[in-house]
Amino acid sequence: GAVVSQHPSRVICKSGTSVKIECRSLDFQATTMFWYRQFPKQSLMLMATSNEGSKATYEQGVEKDKFLINHASLTLSTLTVTSAHPEDSSFYICSARDHRRGDTGELFFGEGSRLTVL
Amino acid sequence: GQNIDQPTEMTATEGAIVQINCTYQTSGFNGLFWYQQHAGEAPTFLSYNVLDGLEEKGRFSSFLSRSKGYSYLLLKELQMKDSASYLCAVADSNYQLIWGAGTKLIIKP
Repeated sequence: GAVVSQHPSRVICKSGTSVKIECRSLDFQATTMFWYRQFPKQSLMLMATSNEGSKATYEQGVEKDKFLINHASLTLSTLTVTSAHPEDSSFYICSARDHRRGDTGELFFGEGSRLTVL
Repeated sequence: GQNIDQPTEMTATEGAIVQINCTYQTSGFNGLFWYQQHAGEAPTFLSYNVLDGLEEKGRFSSFLSRSKGYSYLLLKELQMKDSASYLCAVADSNYQLIWGAGTKLIIKP
């Protein structure tokens, strides 16, 4: 099956520091990956669509300079939260499509990364 | 605008059957998904419907009516481990997923 691995699963950092989260597709090539944020008791909120070899497409209201996304290869996308503040504390989840399965839109999710900014 | 509606919370008894409804209004339709999400974990795929009708997969079934913009997820023989949030999502004309807020299902003994 299609496996997406996300790392780290938990991270605690001080306010003002930067945190990098990695998302890897382990057994397929993902030309497109998605980054979501989820606050407690709320649904997933799409932050940006990450396209291999090009700039990410950000959703309205998401700061491009704060949430840096790099999709340098077909199996790796990274999200860097720059100058993190307590309000950035959230559950960040990546996902990818396995286009071998046809363009059904089905997403495979990473395990998620819980960020706590002190 | 695009909108997905599903109940916020439902309670059911172990061994019983529960139906979680989802209605949607989206720009285009390329399928409807149901995902299960346990607290603190990422969502896991349950089902995909693109044609009208019922898809059965073990204890879980999913139904779709495109003309009514309606779907439901049916869970049979409920087990305590089924306590989770169930997310309805629709792929729009660009295959972007539009997410519902999720239904928290509480299973009682």
